Amino acid sequence: EDKVVQSPLSLVVHEGDTVTLNCSYEVTNFRSLLWYKQEKKAPTFLFMLTSSGIEKKSGRLSSILDKKELSSILNITATQTGDSAIYLCAVVYNNNDMRFGAGTRLTVKP
Amino acid sequence: DTAVSQTPKYLVTQMGNDKSIKCEQNLGHDTMYWYKQDSKKFLKIMFSYNNKELIINETVPNRFSPKSPDKAHLNLHINSLELGDSAVYFCASSQANSWRYFGPGTRLLVL
Repeated sequence: EDKVVQSPLSLVVHEGDTVTLNCSYEVTNFRSLLWYKQEKKAPTFLFMLTSSGIEKKSGRLSSILDKKELSSILNITATQTGDSAIYLCAVVYNNNDMRFGAGTRLTVKP
Repeated sequence: DTAVSQTPKYLVTQMGNDKSIKCEQNLGHDTMYWYKQDSKKFLKIMFSYNNKELIINETVPNRFSPKSPDKAHLNLHINSLELGDSAVYFCASSQANSWRYFGPGTRLLVL
């Protein structure tokens, strides 16, 4: 069965901390892995990863894919309260199938 | 300018009714999607559609049907609404296998 598993399910940190969110997957014909940030509205796109070992970076956020380990991590450094959200990992496989993980709920306290 | 729009934003209706949710994208993307968000915030793919192929998630009841009048629209029609259909429904679009742009969501409540 195709699946996408995120860990931890929830995380509470203080401002300034660094967090690492994990996403592992088991799918047929992997195409790409996507990270989204979901607050009150629709998920907003963060990164798209297709190649193993190449880090994508945007400000304090970075992500990398490990195809050998079938996983990806999302790092957030110097967290701020505005980073509080649900972070979703999604995997595109086969012919445009897309499966989301359950998400990691991140809470950043002042 | 809104990239992916959905209407209505909120929909409250009675069990047994038939309703439609509209989705439009102005990005020129070739593929559109419908997702259902469950109570655990898990987004489940319902349909993906481009001008060549409709791919249906086999777990979706056949009361749900996508209708695409043209490349920029993919509407979701639901027959005989049930209580369990209450959820937030997201439309999205992408170009080929690129990332999805999501609409703002439609919150459906079936009474």
